[in-house]
Amino acid sequence: AQSVTQLGSHVSVSEGALVLLRCNYSSSVPPYLFWYVQYPNQGLQLLLKYTSAATLVKGINGFEAEFKKSETSFHLTKPSAHMSDAAEYFCAVSYSSASKIIFGSGTRLSIRP
Amino acid sequence: DTAVSQTPKYLVTQMGNDKSIKCEQNLGHDTMYWYKQDSKKFLKIMFSYNNKELIINETVPNRFSPKSPDKAHLNLHINSLELGDSAVYFCASSQSGLAVEETQYFGPGTRLLVL
Repeated sequence: AQSVTQLGSHVSVSEGALVLLRCNYSSSVPPYLFWYVQYPNQGLQLLLKYTSAATLVKGINGFEAEFKKSETSFHLTKPSAHMSDAAEYFCAVSYSSASKIIFGSGTRLSIRP
Repeated sequence: DTAVSQTPKYLVTQMGNDKSIKCEQNLGHDTMYWYKQDSKKFLKIMFSYNNKELIINETVPNRFSPKSPDKAHLNLHINSLELGDSAVYFCASSQSGLAVEETQYFGPGTRLLVL
């Protein structure tokens, strides 16, 4: 069965430090992968998505993610964290249609001053 | 302009009551969804509609009944509310619901608390 696993329900980094949020997928067919962000009391917003065009995907707000088939991973990174990055981040996989997106359990990112 | 809107934003009600949540999208999309997000932030799809036709129903109790009067609206009616229905309900939409790489656009959520 297709699924995504997000390692770490909570990640805390200092402002200016590297952000690394981990996502591993399980899929028997080529997956399409997404990262969504949820700011407090808001709906989800797309950060970036992998659609097989390029393995390194750049998204909004300075985030990027690299698709690594050998590791079945799609980790999200940002070189320098801002206070405004504090939010819940969801990795998601789609493998047959847009209607069949499966979300991970989310990682809450906290930023220390 | 709000792309996907939901009303109400907050809903507090007693067990056993019936309530509805409304969703509207002005993006011209063909497919709309309802998701439930529980207290641990786990997000799970409940229903999806394409051009007013139900295409996904993910083992949701019969007490939940979606209704799509037109492709821009997808409402969620819940009968006989239970404590376990307390959650945040998100509406979303996507262009066709068919292309695997499509982005889904989410509403701000409706926070339902059943007492």
